[in-house]
Amino acid sequence: AQKITQTQPGMFVQEKEAVTLDCTYDTSDPSYGLFWYKQPSSGEMIFLIYQGSYDQQNATEGRYSLNFQKARKSANLVISASQLGDSAMYFCAMIPMNTGFQKLVFGTGTRLLVSP
Amino acid sequence: DVKVTQSSRYLVKRTGEKVFLECVQDMDHENMFWYRQDPGLGLRLIYFSYDVKMKEKGDIPEGYSVSREKKERFSLILESASTNQTSMYLCASSRTSGGTSTDTQYFGPGTRLTVL
Repeated sequence: AQKITQTQPGMFVQEKEAVTLDCTYDTSDPSYGLFWYKQPSSGEMIFLIYQGSYDQQNATEGRYSLNFQKARKSANLVISASQLGDSAMYFCAMIPMNTGFQKLVFGTGTRLLVSP
Repeated sequence: DVKVTQSSRYLVKRTGEKVFLECVQDMDHENMFWYRQDPGLGLRLIYFSYDVKMKEKGDIPEGYSVSREKKERFSLILESASTNQTSMYLCASSRTSGGTSTDTQYFGPGTRLTVL
């Protein structure tokens, strides 16, 4: 079974600074996909970034980058130049690359607050 | 861009009522999902569908049923609403269901259901 752990229930960062949100995972599957989602107070779950376990490069999408350390089973999200609109819940999730239907497993989330 | 829409953002129903939550996606995705999200419990999968008229139970299907008559539409039905079904309901869709980038689940804006 897969498990995602997000140990930071809340994080604070000042506008324009970078912040790292931690995510560790546990799986016995040799290949898998890792995802980060943002959930603002409005409730919508917004996809941010994807990292495949076999990808050689760390994924980047604009101000978001994923610090993927396979041996440590960590997939931390780095947000550069934080903006007030980045204040939200952030969820790490994973799916194994097995045959048949696979469930998306979520962590418990980290609440990020960006201050002016 | 993928777009997933849900019929209502907020819904208030009475105990015992039959409730329909509608979800529509416009990206010709094979898979559709219904989740509920509760504080402290995270996202839990209720049902999913991998094809028209096909459905599978998720982790918490009791008290719910689903319908997928057309590829783009996935409905969640509460046969007899109860107060413990007060929650945030999120619909999602994906092209495939493994751990590759095409398996990214895209979510709708959510429906906050209150059962009185």
